[in-house]
Amino acid sequence: AQKITQTQPGMFVQEKEAVTLDCTYDTSDPSYGLFWYKQPSSGEMIFLIYQGSYDQQNATEGRYSLNFQKARKSANLVISASQLGDSAMYFCAMMGRASGGSYIPTFGRGTSLIVHP
Amino acid sequence: EAQVTQNPRYLITVTGKKLTVTCSQNMNHEYMSWYRQDPGLGLRQIYYSMNVEVTDKGDVPEGYKVSRKEKRNFPLILESPSPNQTSLYFCASSLSAGPGELFFGEGSRLTVL
Repeated sequence: AQKITQTQPGMFVQEKEAVTLDCTYDTSDPSYGLFWYKQPSSGEMIFLIYQGSYDQQNATEGRYSLNFQKARKSANLVISASQLGDSAMYFCAMMGRASGGSYIPTFGRGTSLIVHP
Repeated sequence: EAQVTQNPRYLITVTGKKLTVTCSQNMNHEYMSWYRQDPGLGLRQIYYSMNVEVTDKGDVPEGYKVSRKEKRNFPLILESPSPNQTSLYFCASSLSAGPGELFFGEGSRLTVL
């Protein structure tokens, strides 16, 4: 069975500093995708970054980067130069194959990030 | 603009009054799914659909129905809503049943009194 674990219910960071949000995953299939989504207080889910299991390099999107360590099954999100607008809930997710062969998404429980001025 | 559209965005209803939350995507995606989000529980999958006329139960299907008669639409039906179905609901879609990005709708906040 697939599993996503986010061990940090809440994180605090000073504005302009970098922060790492942890995510570990579990799957026995070699083919999967890893994602991070941001959910601000307004409620919508905003896609941030994607890493495919076969991608050789870590994904980056502006201030976001995904520290993909395949052997450790971790996919931590790094936000550089934090901004007040980064305060939100962050979800790690995986698209992996279920027993029937279909790709099913699995989500972590989220990490609440608060950026202090 | 590529998007997933849910309606209504906000709804307050009473126990037992049937309601439908619509979901439509304009990206020709095969995979569509419904989630509910509750504090401390993250996102839990209710139902998903791999293609037209193919639907399967997710983790929390009790009290919900879905249908997929057309590729673009995937409505969520609450035949007899109860207060424990008060939640934030998300519809999502992806291009194919592969490890690609999941596109979310804006969410529907439902309150059942």
